[in-house]
Amino acid sequence: DTGVSQNPRHKITKRGQNVTFRCDPISEHNRLYWYRQTLGQGPEFLTYFQNEAQLEKSRLLSDRFSAERPKGSFSTLEIQRTEQGDSAMYLCASSLTSVSGLGDNEQFFGPGTRLTVL
Amino acid sequence: GENVEQHPSTLSVQEGDSAVIKCTYSDSASNYFPWYKQELGKRPQLIIDIRSNVGEKKDQRIAVTLNKTAKHFSLHITETQPEDSAVYFCAVHGSARQLTFGSGTQLTVLP
Repeated sequence: DTGVSQNPRHKITKRGQNVTFRCDPISEHNRLYWYRQTLGQGPEFLTYFQNEAQLEKSRLLSDRFSAERPKGSFSTLEIQRTEQGDSAMYLCASSLTSVSGLGDNEQFFGPGTRLTVL
Repeated sequence: GENVEQHPSTLSVQEGDSAVIKCTYSDSASNYFPWYKQELGKRPQLIIDIRSNVGEKKDQRIAVTLNKTAKHFSLHITETQPEDSAVYFCAVHGSARQLTFGSGTQLTVLP
């Protein structure tokens, strides 16, 4: 499968625990995005990387959230001290976009990681 | 930031009829407008997109129209089929260089 992959697909954790999700984008895609989707809503932007550089973070990304893309390939999203309000589907997407960012191209989404915080 | 509004939130049509979903946006610098289809429990998948230098784009039964002056764009599905039933999201790529999504439309095609 050459699409975007995410692991794990499901994660159940207790409030206060830390969790880490992984996203493997389509190879050669230089942009990688993280979104959060709650039931009945559209995906909400969290952050994105251009290669290994994290270029933008949403105000939704509190200081408990951190994302990395150390080698410009896979990315991890960590949530520390999880809260029940963090329960959601976490989606990763990748795209091949010019450095200038002009004329954005299709974002391909992964299957998501469903987080449940008890 | 960008504000995207999508209507209606639910839409039921008879098989073979047309469906239209509308979105408005706030950032006049927005330049890319994709539409995604998301089936229950699955990932969003792009079905059609349009750039700001084009007013209309069609792909078989699906078309998108863009009115930059009014800052709205619409998805048109003709000859609907039961497999078109899903949640449809519009999205806008603006000056913030990120996609902002609408709240979604649950389309149900009745056989």
